[in-house]
Amino acid sequence: QVQLQESSPGLVKPSETLSLDCTVSGGSLSNYYWNWIRQPPGKGLQWIGNMYYSGSTNYNPSLKSRVTISVDTSKNQFSLKLTSVTAADTAVYYCARGRLQDFDYWGQGTLVTVSS
Amino acid sequence: DIQMTQSPSSLSASVGDRVTITCRASQSIGTYLNWYQQKPGKAPILLIYAASSLQSGVPSRFSGSGSGTDFTLTIRSLQPEDFATYYCQQSYNFPYTFGQGTNLEIK
Repeated sequence: QVQLQESSPGLVKPSETLSLDCTVSGGSLSNYYWNWIRQPPGKGLQWIGNMYYSGSTNYNPSLKSRVTISVDTSKNQFSLKLTSVTAADTAVYYCARGRLQDFDYWGQGTLVTVSS
Repeated sequence: DIQMTQSPSSLSASVGDRVTITCRASQSIGTYLNWYQQKPGKAPILLIYAASSLQSGVPSRFSGSGSGTDFTLTIRSLQPEDFATYYCQQSYNFPYTFGQGTNLEIK
């Protein structure tokens, strides 16, 4: 059974960089897209971006200038970096495995709060 | 970006009811449409992919239909565990976008 688990930085200060890891167990990174999706408290879902296991990336244009997604196949892990955060970036962040066009496995989510 | 609009935003129904949720895309997306269920404090779960394909392990009372711009999720004979928020999501092009959600509550 594939499982995804996000790291939990918890609190990030405004203007700093949010860094999250997602560790994948029970399966390989190969042949899938690895996604980050977020959900502000009480609101809907926003797709942040993804990386194919081979390294190609796709980012949401609304966040593209601040986002980097990377994959570490040796650790079976992928990561999100979001720079220059503000309170608007406070959200539950989910990692998710992507087949070509859907998200079939999700992490449990981790709440990241941006506050001084 | 492709805008996804769900209706209704909230819905009250009883156990045993048949429920339909609608999702409309701002442009044609073929059948690149997925449905997810989310319960409070939990990650979303994939129910339907490619508009009408049932994800493995999902009960057969869930079904999806549609193509182009108009799609529906139908739950036949609601069960207590079905009360949740439902989201549609387009995968026709980047950025992937979700509907605003439909909150299905117990009447």
